[in-house]
Amino acid sequence: ETGVTQTPRHLVMGMTNKKSLKCEQHLGHNAMYWYKQSAKKPLELMFVYNFKEQTENNSVPSRFSPECPNSSHLFLHLHTLQPEDSALYLCASSQGGGTGELFFGEGSRLTVL
Amino acid sequence: AQSVTQPDIHITVSEGASLELRCNYSYGATPYLFWYVQSPGQGLQLLLKYFSGDTLVQGIKGFEAEFKRSQSSFNLRKPSVHWSDAAEYFCAVGAPLDTGFQKLVFGTGTRLLVSP
Repeated sequence: ETGVTQTPRHLVMGMTNKKSLKCEQHLGHNAMYWYKQSAKKPLELMFVYNFKEQTENNSVPSRFSPECPNSSHLFLHLHTLQPEDSALYLCASSQGGGTGELFFGEGSRLTVL
Repeated sequence: AQSVTQPDIHITVSEGASLELRCNYSYGATPYLFWYVQSPGQGLQLLLKYFSGDTLVQGIKGFEAEFKRSQSSFNLRKPSVHWSDAAEYFCAVGAPLDTGFQKLVFGTGTRLLVSP
C-alpha cells in the first residue's frame, strides 16, 4: 500500500457537475495538503490541514471546498468549476514538527469541459 | 516572501553525460531545501533535502546537491545520466506557517530530456 493514495486518478466533469477528490495517507502524519499543478506554472498550494483543522487557504475560489474528517483522509469537493480549473491536483502529507518534507500522492487529473 | 527560481525550462543531456540543474531561492533565514522528481502521470518523489550541516547532500538514484549560501543556490547534480532519469525536476524551499508546520514553495520545474 503506497503512502498517499488519491482517487480517482482521472476525472472529467462538466461545469455544472459536483464531484469529489479523495486522498488517504497511511504514514501516520498529522498534516495534509492540496496542491494544484497547471501547465507552465509552479505548484500552487491550495489548502493545509493540521490535525484536521484548516490552517491555510490560499485565496482559493469557493467552488473548491476541502474537507478533512480525520488526520488520514482529505477530500476536495468540486462544484460549478471552470475550464481553467483543469489541472493535476496533488495531495500530500507531512509530519508536523519535522523538517517539512512532503509525501505526495500520484495526483488526480481533472478535466473540466 | 519565499520564492524559488529554476532558470532552465528544458535541458537535454546525452546518456552517460553529467547533469547540473540550477536552483536559486529567496529566503531570509536558513532554508530547508528540497529537490523532487516527477515522472509523467505521477506524483512528486523526494530526491534529497538539506536542513543543516554538510552543504553537499546525497540523495537517491545517484543524485547530489550542494547548498551555497553566498549564491542562494541549491543545484542538483548527477555524474552520469541514465535514460530513466528523464522527468521533471522541482526545487522547493520550506516556508514556515504560523502553526509551526511548513509549506513548500516550488519552482516552475526543469524538464530533463535524455538523448541516446
